[in-house]
Amino acid sequence: NAGVTQTPKFRVLKTGQSMTLLCAQDMNHEYMYWYRQDPGMGLRLIHYSVGEGTTAKGEVPDGYNVSRLKKQNFLLGLESAAPSQTSVYFCASKRQAGKSGNTIYFGEGSWLTVV
Amino acid sequence: DQQVKQNSPSLSVQEGRISILNCDYTNSMFDYFLWYKKYPAEGPTFLISISSIKDKNEDGRFTVFLNKSAKHLSLHIVPSQPGDSAVYFCAFGSGAGSYQLTFGKGTKLSVIP
Repeated sequence: NAGVTQTPKFRVLKTGQSMTLLCAQDMNHEYMYWYRQDPGMGLRLIHYSVGEGTTAKGEVPDGYNVSRLKKQNFLLGLESAAPSQTSVYFCASKRQAGKSGNTIYFGEGSWLTVV
Repeated sequence: DQQVKQNSPSLSVQEGRISILNCDYTNSMFDYFLWYKKYPAEGPTFLISISSIKDKNEDGRFTVFLNKSAKHLSLHIVPSQPGDSAVYFCAFGSGAGSYQLTFGKGTKLSVIP
């Protein structure tokens, strides 16, 4: 089972460059999320989507944009990368409801360094 | 305003002993509680959960305890094994099928052989 797949796994960007992180899930989940993890800060929600064609802001959305054109994909874009965006990014997904409806499944992470 | 506090950034335990990880929360609307485990260079993985109608849930060596009156969640691992060394996050959800979880900052557990 592939589960949640993120690409790329590692990337180094120069300040001001743009890039897109791709997340794909094969579990037919309705909800998808982008988190970032920084030392001592835990997991912070950047943006999320409750279904195809919908997106919403999370706790730390500034400097990021997202799109959910297909149910299985959730893209995270950095329009003009800044050193403060150096972090580990995790994509996650969750089915809408049910017995385990509150369990979120994570990808393996994307390590981004902005120099 | 922190809704979740995971106050111990690290914990060291001898192999075979009990590991106890703790979280406190303030949001009374939370009704679903989870623990995630994260190894370096990997994504967090779901470990165990409990709903607000229970005060204990057990899965092998892992037991989660919920004290609703004290708004306190804990994870017990017994006996602890070196492979349990990881970062553990508590997570909280509210509402049936709710779409967001609020995570603690994590506790790094080191199990010493």
